[in-house]
Amino acid sequence: QVQLQQSGAELAKPGSSVKISCKASGYTFTSYAMHWIKQTTGQALEWTGYIAPGSGGTKYNEKFKGKATLTVDKSSSTAYMQLSSLTPVDTAVYYCAREVYYGFWYFDFWGPGTMVTVSS
Amino acid sequence: DTVLTQSPALAVSPGERVSISCRASEGVNSYMHWYQQKPGQQPKLLIYKASNLASGVPARFSGSGSGTDFTLTIDPVEADDTATYFCQQSWNDPTFGGGTKLELK
Repeated sequence: QVQLQQSGAELAKPGSSVKISCKASGYTFTSYAMHWIKQTTGQALEWTGYIAPGSGGTKYNEKFKGKATLTVDKSSSTAYMQLSSLTPVDTAVYYCAREVYYGFWYFDFWGPGTMVTVSS
Repeated sequence: DTVLTQSPALAVSPGERVSISCRASEGVNSYMHWYQQKPGQQPKLLIYKASNLASGVPARFSGSGSGTDFTLTIDPVEADDTATYFCQQSWNDPTFGGGTKLELK
């Protein structure tokens, strides 16, 4: 069965960086794009970007260019998102979500989320 | 960005029918999807491409609409349906609605 396992909660200081992970299992990792979505405590969901694990190609929400960097390790079926120059505004839960594409696309499986807290 | 506007929080009694609306700021064809999120959990896919029921989702859930106006219907509502429901479009770069919190009376 498809599973997306995310890394644990992070507590980071302003100005630092964090790298969170999403380990996929139960399917061919390189066949599905992986998206990252931010959810703040107010519940709003915001798309960060996606990566195509097979090619390494990425697309970012303009708002997150320079903030988020998406990478993958195909050997371990793991996707990563690095968040840099952290500020309290980056405090949120970050989800990875698998994209299904049939000429149109949607997110069929989501990871459990990684809480990132930015505080001095 | 395509802005998605959802109806505010709703409160219904078990056994009733409830409709949750989502309006897009521009046409998104039928590329609208619905997710359910319970407290402390990740979102779960309910409906894809406006009206298609995701695998394992009870037939009490249904979706309709195209263009700019979409509806998620639950009939009948059960106690376990207490959650926040989000719409999401994929006509262009993905955006989400603000969520509709469903409470049971």
